[in-house]
Amino acid sequence: EAQVTQNPRYLITVTGKKLTVTCSQNMNHEYMSWYRQDPGLGLRQIYYSMNVEVTDKGDVPEGYKVSRKEKRNFPLILESPSPNQTSLYFCASTTSTGMTEAFFGQGTRLTVV
Amino acid sequence: KNQVEQSPQSLIILEGKNCTLQCNYTVSPFSNLRWYKQDTGRGPVSLTIMTFSENTKSNGRYTATLDADTKQSSLHITASQLSDSASYICVVTSGGSYIPTFGRGTSLIVHP
Repeated sequence: EAQVTQNPRYLITVTGKKLTVTCSQNMNHEYMSWYRQDPGLGLRQIYYSMNVEVTDKGDVPEGYKVSRKEKRNFPLILESPSPNQTSLYFCASTTSTGMTEAFFGQGTRLTVV
Repeated sequence: KNQVEQSPQSLIILEGKNCTLQCNYTVSPFSNLRWYKQDTGRGPVSLTIMTFSENTKSNGRYTATLDADTKQSSLHITASQLSDSASYICVVTSGGSYIPTFGRGTSLIVHP
């Protein structure tokens, strides 16, 4: 079954404690991306990757890092989380042309206290 | 600045009725427009994808239209069901860019 898997689904952490949210896809997609979703603001892109070792900033990259060492994995790293990063996060993947269906993960609800 | 505006912000209809959601965009140059359905707390699921040359695309009871001249799209839902209750998101990607522009969504509630 084609899917994008995020872990964890829920996470509560304290300010400043580094964390990583993992994302894995099984469709051999080149393009992967991370979004955050906040009430009233909709989905906003954090980072995207066109392929292995190719990453670029989206609309709201501040405070986040990503890496793409393997095609299937695209982890999101928060080096020093702050309360304003409390949000619902989604990972997504699609083919490089962007003209096929994009698949989203189940979401990770992060709370930073 | 690229923008995608959706209307209405929220909509309540009775089961079995039809409804139409609107999406206006200023993204340029245009590459493609997608409609997604997002159930509460879950990831968006793609309904349709349309390019510049496509005017209409259907997916079951969902029919999307695109007018690239006026930069408007609509999503028509026929014979609504309770399971249609969700947020519907319009997303436009510009040519040469890999950063999609998302609308804020229309929240649809279908009552029995």
